[in-house]
Amino acid sequence: GAVVSQHPSRVICKSGTSVKIECRSLDFQATTMFWYRQFPKQSLMLMATSNEGSKATYEQGVEKDKFLINHASLTLSTLTVTSAHPEDSSFYICSAGGEVAPYEQYFGPGTRLTVT
Amino acid sequence: EDQVTQSPEALRLQEGESSSLNCSYTVSGLRGLFWYRQDPGKGPEFLFTLYSAGEEKEKERLKATLTKKESFLHITAPKPEDSATYLCAAPLDRGSTLGRLYFGRGTQLTVWP
Repeated sequence: GAVVSQHPSRVICKSGTSVKIECRSLDFQATTMFWYRQFPKQSLMLMATSNEGSKATYEQGVEKDKFLINHASLTLSTLTVTSAHPEDSSFYICSAGGEVAPYEQYFGPGTRLTVT
Repeated sequence: EDQVTQSPEALRLQEGESSSLNCSYTVSGLRGLFWYRQDPGKGPEFLFTLYSAGEEKEKERLKATLTKKESFLHITAPKPEDSATYLCAAPLDRGSTLGRLYFGRGTQLTVWP
């Protein structure tokens, strides 16, 4: 099956710094990637949709200047959490879908962000 | 408002005790209902897609079914390794962006030996 990787798997940063998370589709080209956020014992909340070569589309209530998304190629999307604060601590997960079946998404293993 | 609701929130089964998980949805113009399995600290793993009422799909001890208003994930003779959170999701198709999914809160399944 399709494989999606994320890096890093865990990151701890100090309040006020920025953190970049990478999402890669390893064996297929993903025209669209999605970024989710998950709090403990909560479901996945869609943050934004990342399209290769164009600006990301953010869900209502998600600050686009805080969560910068770049989809530079068909296999790589990055999420940068700028000026991180403790309330940004969460589990961030990306997913990728192909053109044929965009809803049949494959998820990365997630990145645990802790802001101290 | 579109909504995906899962029940029960948690389910404890003894090994071999079959049961069902429910996912009800109020998404209009449904374009598929998706089931995922999520282990602690990991990303969701794709299980099934169901597109039309009456459709069924099976994978090992799991069988997913779909009606016009809900989907069931049946687990037959579960084993401890089936313990996980099972998530269902439906597409959010507002606007032109395809692929956006709305997830339910999940059912945390624990199977004890």
